[in-house]
Amino acid sequence: GAVVSQHPSWVICKSGTSVKIECRSLDFQATTMFWYRQFPKQSLMLMATSNEGSKATYEQGVEKDKFLINHASLTLSTLTVTSAHPEDSSFYICSARSGISYNEQFFGPGTRLTVL
Amino acid sequence: QKEVEQNSGPLSVPEGAIASLNCTYSDRGSQSFFWYRQYSGKSPELIMFIYSNGDKEDGRFTAQLNKASQYVSLLIRDSQPSDSATYLCAARGGGSYIPTFGRGTSLIVHP
Repeated sequence: GAVVSQHPSWVICKSGTSVKIECRSLDFQATTMFWYRQFPKQSLMLMATSNEGSKATYEQGVEKDKFLINHASLTLSTLTVTSAHPEDSSFYICSARSGISYNEQFFGPGTRLTVL
Repeated sequence: QKEVEQNSGPLSVPEGAIASLNCTYSDRGSQSFFWYRQYSGKSPELIMFIYSNGDKEDGRFTAQLNKASQYVSLLIRDSQPSDSATYLCAARGGGSYIPTFGRGTSLIVHP
């Protein structure tokens, strides 16, 4: 089956620093990748959608200058949380969809971000 | 605005019983529907998807779709304690390839 990895699985950082999270599709080419954020006991909140080689499309209310998304290749997308603050602490999950298996969206294991 | 509604629960069922999880969606143009399972602290994993009216069975899981009523359900037969998780319903279509997720239903299967 399709595998999506994320790195790191958890990170603790000081307020004001930037954190980069990588999302990789290991055995398929991901034409589209999605970034979600999930607060405790809340549902998934879509932050942005990115297609390889083009700029990400951000959901309403998500600051594109704070959450930088780069989808440079068909197997890698990165999310950089710039100048992180405690309210950015959350579970960040990426998912990927191939151009072949249109109906399936595969989730990465998530990254737990804690900002002190 | 597209919405997917789920009862947050928790839904508590005894081991061996049938768990019935329900979901309604607002966008009548939705074409594909998905059920994901999410364990606490983990990311969602796809259980199954359905896009035709009727039932779709996969092992102990049965998805049911009624487009006229805009209703999707997931039945889990012979529920096990390991099925205890949050189940997310998602709908996609209506001009968008991005699925809309519900808030999830917490299921507890007690021995």
